[in-house]
Amino acid sequence: ETGVTQSPTHLIKTRGQQVTLRCSSQSGHNTVSWYQQALGQGPQFIFQYYREEENGRGNFPPRFSGLQFPNYSSELNVNALELDDSALYLCASSTPTSSEPPDEQYFGPGTRLTVT
Amino acid sequence: QKEVEQNSGPLSVPEGAIASLNCTYSDRGSQSFFWYRQYSGKSPELIMSIYSNGDKEDGRFTAQLNKASQYVSLLIRDSQPSDSATYLCAVYNQGGKLIFGQGTELSVKP
Repeated sequence: ETGVTQSPTHLIKTRGQQVTLRCSSQSGHNTVSWYQQALGQGPQFIFQYYREEENGRGNFPPRFSGLQFPNYSSELNVNALELDDSALYLCASSTPTSSEPPDEQYFGPGTRLTVT
Repeated sequence: QKEVEQNSGPLSVPEGAIASLNCTYSDRGSQSFFWYRQYSGKSPELIMSIYSNGDKEDGRFTAQLNKASQYVSLLIRDSQPSDSATYLCAVYNQGGKLIFGQGTELSVKP
């Protein structure tokens, strides 16, 4: 177990709806990254949060947004859900992004989102 | 060209054999490389990190890095059925993003 927790475990939503996924980072880690993993694919980087600010973003539209709180927990929000948003959403925590080399990322159990 | 590419698999080896998993990457400035193991229905689990050219051994696992050739490999000695999983190669690019390959499915037959 990595100490990274995510909620909920599973979620079923209808196209057009909005969803919020939550992540608590491992103790001592202040950086949270979010990934989308479609079936049979590797995780795709969505964005990263460090000190409550977005610190890098992948190739995802603005309807994917996030927050990080002072306790380093984080939320991923997806608006106007599409069928292709069905995937496993993973968060990973790590220590400061300024470290060289960049630190290892540890994943939570993920949230399985199904959009119908 | 994908940023990180892995053997498409699936790779099948008999129990006790050496499993060899390969990965190439396109960003020549990358400095940090990782191997994750992912069991079906579970999240990725970090098993190895490597930062310098050469070999790094941890138990039955050996990671090999060649920055000049831009490849990373993972060897699993004495493969066990419990090693059956998808293995993901991940590389930090110069933009600071962790980029994953599509994964190689490994099946170890008893």
